[in-house]
Amino acid sequence: EVQLVESGGDLVQPGGSLRLSCVASGFTFSDHYMDWVRQAPGKGLEWVGRIRNKGNSYTTEYAASLKNRFTISRDDSKNSLFLQMNSLTTEDTAVYYCARGLFGEPRYMDVWGKGTAVTVSS
Amino acid sequence: DIQLTQSPSFLSASEGDRVSITCRASQGISSYLGWYQQKPGKAPKLLISAASTLQSGVPSRFSGSGSRTEFTLIISSLQPEDFATYYCQQLSSYPITFGQGTRLEIK
Repeated sequence: EVQLVESGGDLVQPGGSLRLSCVASGFTFSDHYMDWVRQAPGKGLEWVGRIRNKGNSYTTEYAASLKNRFTISRDDSKNSLFLQMNSLTTEDTAVYYCARGLFGEPRYMDVWGKGTAVTVSS
Repeated sequence: DIQLTQSPSFLSASEGDRVSITCRASQGISSYLGWYQQKPGKAPKLLISAASTLQSGVPSRFSGSGSRTEFTLIISSLQPEDFATYYCQQLSSYPITFGQGTRLEIK
């Protein structure tokens, strides 16, 4: 079964850091681009960023407002995707989803995890 | 950034109805548009890619059309499981953006 499972969500104080993980199974993780998408409580979907595959040099793209605080990485040997989040504010409170990029540009997001909840509060 | 504006934001309809949701882009995006369905407490699900390509397993009552700046998602005959929130997404250029969502509720 093709599956993505996120973890690492937690309650964190403003200014703190958190690292989210996403473990993939049931498909060749290393072949795919991967994305992070977040959803604040009661709000819509917001794209966080993307990491390409090895064949595309693991290059990354980010939402401009998050670029200086968030970093996406991956470990293909562990079928894992990561999101390092620094200098968190209350506006980063959201459910964070990882998603797989469909083969073929522009890589629509065809498989999603169930999400992990991040709460930023003092 | 490319802005996507969905209309309506809220839609009340009955089982069996035909409904249409529009997504307008602030600039031309060719056909690089996807439609997603999200049910409460669940992850989004990709329904349509490239404006009109139905994903495997998605019922044929869903269809998409459009290009450049105006796109439409049509559900030809609403079923109980279709009541959800729908989002359009553009992948023409970075940053990838979503529409604000259309919440489809039972009348």
